[in-house]
Amino acid sequence: AAGVIQSPRHLIKEKRETATLKCYPIPRHDTVYWYQQGPGQDPQFLISFYEKMQSDKGSIPDRFSAQQFSDYHSELNMSSLELGDSALYFCASSLVHTGDEQYFGPGTRLTVT
Amino acid sequence: AQTVTQSQPEMSVQEAETVTLSCTYDTSESDYYLFWYKQPPSRQMILVIRQEAYKQQNATENRFSVNFQKAAKSFSLKISDSQLGDAAMYFCAFLYTGANSKLTFGKGITLSVRP
Repeated sequence: AAGVIQSPRHLIKEKRETATLKCYPIPRHDTVYWYQQGPGQDPQFLISFYEKMQSDKGSIPDRFSAQQFSDYHSELNMSSLELGDSALYFCASSLVHTGDEQYFGPGTRLTVT
Repeated sequence: AQTVTQSQPEMSVQEAETVTLSCTYDTSESDYYLFWYKQPPSRQMILVIRQEAYKQQNATENRFSVNFQKAAKSFSLKISDSQLGDAAMYFCAFLYTGANSKLTFGKGITLSVRP
């Protein structure tokens, strides 16, 4: 069965640079979630999209933005990167907007030097 | 807002033995799901088991079962016949079934399995 695809899997950036993370949800899934997991931390919710509209926002810095496109893939754009942005970024997708099992991608490991 | 608490940062179990991982949560909602996720060194988030709050029967998946006590807001995971491959970080997570649902995770527990 198709799973959630994230690209790139690894990314190394320098401080103040920009990064773009991509997420391709499971086919027919209408909701995408982004989570950030710092070293030794639990995943923290950043933002979610339902049917290409932002549905909820968590602890996402103003330097970050995201969107969901017409083909349902989503991109997380991160600007003015800081050392503290180094983390594993997960994308998850679900079929039903109002609370259903979320399927996680393999994550993108971002390292900011 | 929901909170999930995993008070044990680490646990160890002998191979083939049984271990129970604890989790408590706090919510004012009545409709929700609870999950246990496994995160091995690869850091992939793997769903182990889920429990719907409206179901009284505890969920079971092969060697994994839960003890769901809704009134006490407790959701523990029992791993039977522990295997070396069970060694990982385990996260308890809460998901509200209403709009804008997002997973709220506990801090996680590191499980090691002794051969």
